[in-house]
Amino acid sequence: QVQLQESGPGLVKPSQTLSLTCTVSGGSISSGYYYWNWIRRHPGKGLEWIGCIRYSGTTYYNPSLKSRVTISVDTSENQFSLRLTSVTAADTAVYYCARDASSVGVPAGGMDVWGPGTTVTVSS
Amino acid sequence: QSVLTQPPSVSEAPRQRVTISCSGSSSNIGNNAVNWFLQLPGKAPKLLIYYDDLLTSGVSDRFSGSKSGTSASLAISGLQSEDEGDYYCAAWDDSLNGVVFGGGTKLTVL
Repeated sequence: QVQLQESGPGLVKPSQTLSLTCTVSGGSISSGYYYWNWIRRHPGKGLEWIGCIRYSGTTYYNPSLKSRVTISVDTSENQFSLRLTSVTAADTAVYYCARDASSVGVPAGGMDVWGPGTTVTVSS
Repeated sequence: QSVLTQPPSVSEAPRQRVTISCSGSSSNIGNNAVNWFLQLPGKAPKLLIYYDDLLTSGVSDRFSGSKSGTSASLAISGLQSEDEGDYYCAAWDDSLNGVVFGGGTKLTVL
């Protein structure tokens, strides 16, 4: 059974870069028609999709974050990562990694496996 | 302002039935699958319904999904206190080339 686990700093200073990694266990990141996603939830607000990647390297990003986001995959480590540059307090949120088992060529938005989430606070 | 529109909150008594709506456009709901999630406090979201009306394995059949045109609905029958939480719809958006979520609906079981 596939499991996901986020890791990375819980505190990031304003203007710096937020870096998180999601480790996939119980299955290969390279198998199947999966998109590997990053999603966040700001305090007191709803879910926001950040972007996703396939093992081949194909990426899709939220247009509102695209200029600051990079998602990459390391198939040898069975991990994928998120980099968000020039962070501000508005990037304070719980960050989740999740798997989308899409069979339609593009992500379907049906994330069936999620990590527990990691809280990232942007503060000096 | 979310691309998909949900009511901020709904409430109903135990054992009753409630529906949560999700309104979009031809670039998302009208042309792509709708998915529904439940997020309990302090927990990661859980997929309930995918591809409009398919029930995730292990999820109670008290949950059902439907879609018509550019709107979708999640119905929950036989409400229980454990159903309380935040419900989200999501879909791929062809114009934005990304996944969009609804703003979320808080369900209260009275």
